[in-house]
Amino acid sequence: TQLLEQSPQFLSIQEGENLTVYCNSSSVFSSLQWYRQEPGEGPVLLVTVVTGGEVKKLKRLTFQFGDARKDSSLHITAAQPGDTGLYLCAGVGATNKLIFGTGTLLAVQP
Amino acid sequence: EAGVAQSPRYKIIEKRQSVAFWCNPISGHATLYWYQQILGQGPKLLIQFQNNGVVDDSQLPKDRFSAERLKGVDSTLKIQPAKLEDSAVYLCASSYPGDGETQYFGPGTRLLVL
Repeated sequence: TQLLEQSPQFLSIQEGENLTVYCNSSSVFSSLQWYRQEPGEGPVLLVTVVTGGEVKKLKRLTFQFGDARKDSSLHITAAQPGDTGLYLCAGVGATNKLIFGTGTLLAVQP
Repeated sequence: EAGVAQSPRYKIIEKRQSVAFWCNPISGHATLYWYQQILGQGPKLLIQFQNNGVVDDSQLPKDRFSAERLKGVDSTLKIQPAKLEDSAVYLCASSYPGDGETQYFGPGTRLLVL
């Protein structure tokens, strides 16, 4: 069974702080995705990383895919209240099946 | 472009009752997915359709859950009979042929089984 563990599980920070969320697996994935989910809504795709060692930036968000394509991280610089939500990593398996991580609930206090 | 539509948005039932959820994917999206998301966890794939055929239903509890996509467009997911542990958000997602890695999610149906 493929599992993706995320850490931390919960994170409450002040506006302007930096944070990093980790996603670790014992399995290799062809690609990995990060989603953000707000209350009452479905997950929304933020980024897809494909190449081992790849780094992608999306404004204040930086995503990295591990060299062995088993782990990934999401770094947010100068967090804002609008960043509040559930962050999910997902490994892309055969037939594009998504295996979601355990989730990181982020709260950014103004 | 309209997103993935789901109904109802909320449903409360008693255990052993039946319930059905409906999903209308984005127009032209051949692949449709149903996920179960228990509170505080990531979504878990229940079933994946390609047009009206099942691609993966390995995690669907087939003794009580069923799903269909008869005309290859909208889909229904049914639970009969419901158990307390079925309380969750049921998410529907769809993807476009040739861009299967990008799934677009609906808002979900929140089910509470009492």
